[in-house]
Amino acid sequence: QKEVEQDPGPLSVPEGAIVSLNCTYSNSAFQYFMWYRQYSRKGPELLMYTYSSGNKEDGRFTAQVDKSSKYISLFIRDSQPSDSATYLCALRGGSNYKLTFGKGTLLTVNP
Amino acid sequence: GAVVSQHPSRVICKSGTSVKIECRSLDFQATTMFWYRQFPKKSLMLMATSNEGSKATYEQGVEKDKFLINHASLTLSTLTVTSAHPEDSSFYICSARLAGPYNEQFFGPGTRLTVL
Repeated sequence: QKEVEQDPGPLSVPEGAIVSLNCTYSNSAFQYFMWYRQYSRKGPELLMYTYSSGNKEDGRFTAQVDKSSKYISLFIRDSQPSDSATYLCALRGGSNYKLTFGKGTLLTVNP
Repeated sequence: GAVVSQHPSRVICKSGTSVKIECRSLDFQATTMFWYRQFPKKSLMLMATSNEGSKATYEQGVEKDKFLINHASLTLSTLTVTSAHPEDSSFYICSARLAGPYNEQFFGPGTRLTVL
């Protein structure tokens, strides 16, 4: 079992749809949870950073963490064509700064 | 804030030559930087952790003599691919850790290396 599982998609939605992206993990040592957005041939861009279980909202984006289920989600409301990118979840333990990435989900928002 | 740059953005070289890639944190100091490699449609693979003023820590399976890392200042880390071969062709991305309560990592735009 891989440490972090993420459905690679691809995921295609119409403009305005609510998008749900998810990752599951097996290592309970992970304490910090991040979502990155990566456009083609670009470096990843940090979108959301959460530490505890619960929800964190930033504009159209909501990150959700359920430590008991080892499950994290990113919701995108009112999706836009400019949201089309690969979304990567990244997790980190408390003892070092190394990130463990999911495979990434390729999202396309169609106008 | 928290901007990381990489230079060059793209490089093409002949087999057997060495290539140096620079990673700079533009508006913050970074005691720790990371070097990743990414293959097409794949996730990021951590190659090494670069610590300012000390030797880099390489991940298992990464040749330290092949991928030389130098972190000479708090804003600059370099990755040198020595004696490059076509199989070294890849997208190389660095990140820099912003020290603080969350220690977020901010990524550079990446360098596309093509070895002929």
